[in-house]
Amino acid sequence: NAGVTQTPKFQVLKTGQSMTLQCAQDMNHNSMYWYRQDPGMGLRLIYYSASEGTTDKGEVPNGYNVSRLNKREFSLRLESAAPSQTSVYFCAVRGGTGTNEKLFFGSGTQLSVL
Amino acid sequence: QKEVEQDPGPLSVPEGAIVSLNCTYSNSAFQYFMWYRQYSRKGPELLMYTYSSGNKEDGRFTAQVDKSSKYISLFIRDSQPSDSATYLCAMTVSNTGTASKLTFGTGTRLQVTL
Repeated sequence: NAGVTQTPKFQVLKTGQSMTLQCAQDMNHNSMYWYRQDPGMGLRLIYYSASEGTTDKGEVPNGYNVSRLNKREFSLRLESAAPSQTSVYFCAVRGGTGTNEKLFFGSGTQLSVL
Repeated sequence: QKEVEQDPGPLSVPEGAIVSLNCTYSNSAFQYFMWYRQYSRKGPELLMYTYSSGNKEDGRFTAQVDKSSKYISLFIRDSQPSDSATYLCAMTVSNTGTASKLTFGTGTRLQVTL
């Protein structure tokens, strides 16, 4: 039972290059999220998907696109990477109800844009 | 001013010490409060979840919420080297299940030394 799997773990891009970060879950939950984590900024929501076929913008969506391919998979695409997108990216899945509700995070993708 | 403030640390304590981690916030509408623990190069994991004011205890961990002061705390008793991690507070207005509304603190790095 892998939970939330992110690929790749590390990536270095040149400015202007594109790439897709992959996220897959085996938890059978509906809601999936992409966050970025920067020093001194905390976790900030980029995009989320409440269910298969729906996506919504979060706090910092500019420069990103997402695809909810099916219930299991939620990908994040950088069309033209910029140095400001250097960050650690986390995919998360929401599970549980009420006070048992929690976010399950993947291990992250460390991205550097030169 | 950030909506949630958290001292980044690092906080270094000897093994066995009582640790106090804190967050202050400005939005009086926050009602649900969480603490996530994040080990180096890993995604955050939920540690404690509390609703409104009061205390919640789970083993060596106690979460405390003071809504009148807009102040939350996490206490760790008998701290262990395995507690060395970054602790992030998070809070939300509603538990309707929209984790898109979660606001995270920047995290406090804790180091427990032998």
